[in-house]
Amino acid sequence: GAGVSQSPSNKVTEKGKDVELRCDPISGHTALYWYRQSLGQGLEFLIYFQGNSAPDKSGLPSDRFSAERTGGSVSTLTIQRTQQEDSAVYLCASSLRHTAVQETQYFGPGTRLLVL
Amino acid sequence: GENVEQHPSTLSVQEGDSAVIKCTYSDSASNYFPWYKQELGKRPQLIIDIRSNVGEKKDQRIAVTLNKTAKHFSLHITETQPEDSAVYFCAALATGTASKLTFGTGTRLQVTL
Repeated sequence: GAGVSQSPSNKVTEKGKDVELRCDPISGHTALYWYRQSLGQGLEFLIYFQGNSAPDKSGLPSDRFSAERTGGSVSTLTIQRTQQEDSAVYLCASSLRHTAVQETQYFGPGTRLLVL
Repeated sequence: GENVEQHPSTLSVQEGDSAVIKCTYSDSASNYFPWYKQELGKRPQLIIDIRSNVGEKKDQRIAVTLNKTAKHFSLHITETQPEDSAVYFCAALATGTASKLTFGTGTRLQVTL
């Protein structure tokens, strides 16, 4: 079946503009995760959803970042008033469910964001 | 919170040799340790994982070992091939704070002919 998809694949924006990044998880996966990967760095956890709720938002870098998930499927990550330091690859992952025994997370191709 | 350190940051081996990547973690409650491979411009893909109830797991040319006492885990690739060239990330997760899969900073493996 189809894997995790993300759009757009690339986004160039001007400093101060808002951007929306979209993630379509694997069908039937109830858990969804957002990560940020800066150049040459590891993956930084941002937020995760179980269904439509976000039990853990502690990784969001600032109040300019928000995310939502509707219908237990598609999620959008919104960055308001973008700054140059927001430039990174934003990766989404999904897993079948989120339990005490961690399920494998499957990653999307990422959105490469460049803030000029 | 959890802190994962990964070494080395870069590793060059000749085709056919073995490669070892090591990670340490700080949270003794961590009990799940996946390894991801990320080829240039592509998404991370899980290659192997280990849970704290086992000390070693093997899948063909790759193996992972876990030492819970020392809070170390390692990835071993034998008979390396050019297609093994990629960035490898280790990660750790503790149930209870189960949302946060904490990643290491990655190891760039280059397999030369």
